[in-house]
Amino acid sequence: GNSVTQMEGPVTLSEEAFLTINCTYTATGYPSLFWYVQYPGEGLQLLLKATKADDKGSNKGFEATYRKETTSFHLEKGSVQVSDSAVYFCALSTGNQFYFGTGTSLTVIP
Amino acid sequence: EAGVTQFPSHSVIEKGQTVTLRCDPISGHDNLYWYRRVMGKEIKFLLHFVKESKQDESGMPNNRFLAERTGGTYSTLKVQPAELEDSGVYFCASSRLTSGKYEQYFGPGTRLTVT
Repeated sequence: GNSVTQMEGPVTLSEEAFLTINCTYTATGYPSLFWYVQYPGEGLQLLLKATKADDKGSNKGFEATYRKETTSFHLEKGSVQVSDSAVYFCALSTGNQFYFGTGTSLTVIP
Repeated sequence: EAGVTQFPSHSVIEKGQTVTLRCDPISGHDNLYWYRRVMGKEIKFLLHFVKESKQDESGMPNNRFLAERTGGTYSTLKVQPAELEDSGVYFCASSRLTSGKYEQYFGPGTRLTVT
């Protein structure tokens, strides 16, 4: 079946620290991979995506590379800001249904 | 273009009562999806409409949940009677018919609290 496992939170970092949120997946077929972000009081927003192996998705300083050999799609950012505080969801889709991880809450302190 | 909208943003009801959630997809999006996140857990798929037809309702938890999409525009999700375990955030998403696995646009969610 299809499933996503992502790093448990919450994660607290100081401003300008390096961020990694791990995400691994199992899938039947050839999935597309996504990171969604939910800022406080707002809905889910697409952060970045990758549709095939070795693709790198990037947006707002965040990056994730689709690694088929390790079935992973880890989210990274070199220098986080207070405004990055949010809940981050890793997700996959093989068709018309999305499968999400449990979400990782990130708090960035000044 | 306007995004996916959901109403209400928050609903608090007592066990046994009925609640109806509404989702307005992005104009022109034939695919409409409902998802639910129970506290601290993953966001789970509930069902998928293509226009007014239910394409996949494999994620609906039980027959207390009824989803409709009359006319293929907005959708409603009714919970009747509500139970404590129905509490959570209900998300709606939409996409173009040809988007497939590539992108879904999510609404802000409706937070349902059953007491």
